Amino acid sequence: NAGVTQTPKFQVLKTGQSMTLQCAQDMNHEYMSWYRQDPGMGLRLIHYSVGAGITDQGEVPNGYNVSRSTTEDFPLRLLSAAPSQTSVYFCASRSGGSNTGELFFGEGSRLTVL
Amino acid sequence: AQSVTQPDIHITVSEGASLELRCNYSYGATPYLFWYVQSPGQGLQLLLKYFSGDTLVQGIKGFEAEFKRSQSSFNLRKPSVHWSDAAEYFCAVSGANNLFFGTGTRLTVIP
Repeated sequence: NAGVTQTPKFQVLKTGQSMTLQCAQDMNHEYMSWYRQDPGMGLRLIHYSVGAGITDQGEVPNGYNVSRSTTEDFPLRLLSAAPSQTSVYFCASRSGGSNTGELFFGEGSRLTVL
Repeated sequence: AQSVTQPDIHITVSEGASLELRCNYSYGATPYLFWYVQSPGQGLQLLLKYFSGDTLVQGIKGFEAEFKRSQSSFNLRKPSVHWSDAAEYFCAVSGANNLFFGTGTRLTVIP
């Protein structure tokens, strides 16, 4: 049972380039989310999804797009990378709609934008 | 709006000593509260959670936390710290579709 898998683990981009961070979970979780982690700021929610075909914005959605075509996958797209998007990105999932459930996290993707 | 404050950025304790990490929350109703741990280069792992019932909750790895509504606090404790507990610890409060994290406390354990 792999849990939440993120790829790539490391990526360096130039300003203006685009890329997609992949996230897949094998726990049949309805809820999936993307966070970014920056020093001294904790984790902040970028986008989330409560099921296939349903996505919504979190606290810091600007510059990022998401889609949810299947229960398993929740990719995060950067259309035109900026240095302010240099961060560590975490994908997380949980079962059901209850906000009391445990979030399961991937191991993170470290992105550097030059 | 929900928010969490972790006043200690970095704490150093000796192995075998007791530990208390502070967490204060802001939430209008009964909060759902969590503590997560992050080892270097890893994702976050749930230590324990509280959403009702007994205000003292037990978690994994020998950790416990006490919910005190009068103080808006949910402090994490461990009676005897092990070197493997060195990590970053995050307190979080649950919103409808978001988990609001504090800024974290980094724990260093010295032999």
